Amino acid sequence: GAGVSQSPRYKVTKRGQDVTLRCDPISSHATLYWYQQALGQGPEFLTYFNYEAQPDKSGLPSDRFSAERPEGSISTLTIQRTEQRDSAMYRCASSLGFANEQFFGPGTRLTVL
Amino acid sequence: ELKVEQNPLFLSMQEGKNYTIYCNYSTTSDRLYWYRQDPGKSLESLFVLLSNGAVKQEGRLMASLDTKARLSTLHITAAVHDLSATYFCAVEKKETSGSRLTFGEGTQLTVNP
Repeated sequence: GAGVSQSPRYKVTKRGQDVTLRCDPISSHATLYWYQQALGQGPEFLTYFNYEAQPDKSGLPSDRFSAERPEGSISTLTIQRTEQRDSAMYRCASSLGFANEQFFGPGTRLTVL
Repeated sequence: ELKVEQNPLFLSMQEGKNYTIYCNYSTTSDRLYWYRQDPGKSLESLFVLLSNGAVKQEGRLMASLDTKARLSTLHITAAVHDLSATYFCAVEKKETSGSRLTFGEGTQLTVNP
């Protein structure tokens, strides 16, 4: 596609529910990143993929967070048993390869009530 | 652990004035980025700085990098209202099969007529 797209753009959920966020990277981009951005802060790294491989999960804040990229293209980020502290903007980025510049999507604003 | 600090965090300035935003980082890096973020929008890449002494200019914005001092600056010349946004610096650290960006807290710039 022309740019990185994310869906939904906004998600409101109740505490304890599971949510799944989707990222569609720029086509042919091998590397995909997830970041979490709290209000008034800079984005913080969560995890990344090279194609379907996930070499680094160290930024995921707890085992309630997981990400997949099964076919090396679209990726999902799932948060189980959401908590209010999970409320944030979740940003996806992709790059041609791991040494290349990252391009960011518009983000998904998650609000946990 | 890589830390990135920006200052000031909030900047209110009049049109036509000059000002500089500072970005300090704690360890060696591979690349440094400056991004612009408008409310509800994605992160827009402004500059990529690769080496010591690098200077890049685009319109009223100029970015520079001093890797020895671990310092980057974003200089605004003769500010105009359209420059109002939040500006982030981000430091890239390459790893074996990927790279991650570590962002500063952001500088919220307001340019008043």
